[in-house]
Amino acid sequence: DAGVIQSPRHEVTEMGQEVTLRCKPISGHDYLFWYRQTMMRGLELLIYFNNNVPIDDSGMPEDRFSAKMPNASFSTLKIQPSEPRDSAVYFCASSSSFHEQFFGPGTRLTVL
Amino acid sequence: QKEVEQDPGPLSVPEGAIVSLNCTYSNSAFQYFMWYRQYSRKGPELLMYTYSSGNKEDGRFTAQVDKSSKYISLFIRDSQPSDSATYLCAMNRDDKIIFGKGTRLHILP
Repeated sequence: DAGVIQSPRHEVTEMGQEVTLRCKPISGHDYLFWYRQTMMRGLELLIYFNNNVPIDDSGMPEDRFSAKMPNASFSTLKIQPSEPRDSAVYFCASSSSFHEQFFGPGTRLTVL
Repeated sequence: QKEVEQDPGPLSVPEGAIVSLNCTYSNSAFQYFMWYRQYSRKGPELLMYTYSSGNKEDGRFTAQVDKSSKYISLFIRDSQPSDSATYLCAMNRDDKIIFGKGTRLHILP
């Protein structure tokens, strides 16, 4: 298996624009997680899905953020409108159990 | 008080030395304790996890959990330059997972 796949790897956009991050989890994994990593706050869980259903979105910072998982092999994290404080590395992870997560390479987002 | 505390470092040690990395936590409900390694500009990679208290060994790595003190450790024996990375502890309770901010480790050749 190729591991967790994320796209794009880098995204530079202007404030106010919509940003869509994509993730393909490892086949067979039931859980999918979206994280954000910054120097100040470290690695924060934004939302996670179990069997394509959103279970806990309490980490999503505000209504500008939304996530979907239309099927077992694809998920998106959308920011609309984007703001400079959204600049961070966004990771997707998948797993069969909560405590053994496999992370993707991340998307480095810069909002100007 | 933060749920998980981890010294950010950097920690610099000579090659071959034993490395000790640590985290403290405040919530006694945590059940699983994990250590992830993250190389620069890469995603975190799970090294090992421990359930409840005790020790777990995997090659040069040993994870230790002391629930009475709310303290976990990762020991690296015979450290190598390739061990230079950021090490993040993580803890799981119910369906919550909390990560430490990570300790940057440099192994000097």
